[in-house]
Amino acid sequence: EAGVAQSPRYKIIEKRQSVAFWCNPISGHATLYWYQQILGQGPKLLIQFQNNGVVDDSQLPKDRFSAERLKGVDSTLKIQPAKLEDSAVYLCASSLNLAWGETQYFGPGTRLLVL
Amino acid sequence: AQKITQTQPGMFVQEKEAVTLDCTYDTSDPSYGLFWYKQPSSGEMIFLIYQGSYDQQNATEGRYSLNFQKARKSANLVISASQLGDSAMYFCAMSALGDMRFGAGTRLTVKP
Repeated sequence: EAGVAQSPRYKIIEKRQSVAFWCNPISGHATLYWYQQILGQGPKLLIQFQNNGVVDDSQLPKDRFSAERLKGVDSTLKIQPAKLEDSAVYLCASSLNLAWGETQYFGPGTRLLVL
Repeated sequence: AQKITQTQPGMFVQEKEAVTLDCTYDTSDPSYGLFWYKQPSSGEMIFLIYQGSYDQQNATEGRYSLNFQKARKSANLVISASQLGDSAMYFCAMSALGDMRFGAGTRLTVKP
């Protein structure tokens, strides 16, 4: 069974530029999550989708971050414009469903460096 | 509000010995899941073990076991017979309503 796929693996941009990340979850997984992991910290949830609907985006900085999962499968996370403090690893995860006991499986992440 | 605390920024263990990584949590929800993930230098989060709040027995997965003490709100990870490949960051996490919260992590170094 294929795992969670993410691209690109690395991205370097200048501040104020825009960037987009792509995620393809495990086949059949209804719930998809985007996390931001700043160096030296644990991952922080940005947004979670159940199929193509947003369940929780309370920690997403909506003035610059956006995410979509139009067909309920793959998803894109966009930052526009990027700031220096957005330098982090962006992790995508998926789970079979949205429940407290569901295991989340993570992709390899995208390392973003904003100069 | 949910909170996960890992008080050990770094731990060292000799190869082939056992090590315990500490994790305490705080939640008012009666239903929750506790998870441990391993993050090697490559960056991917690898799922290790899961414990549900209603589970009576401690979870085990190969060399990993979870010492679940509900009254003390602790969920420590025990790794037996440590291997050099176990050197990594280890994160404790809790999910109560589908949103997972992570601790700050513990960096484990296995010495040959």
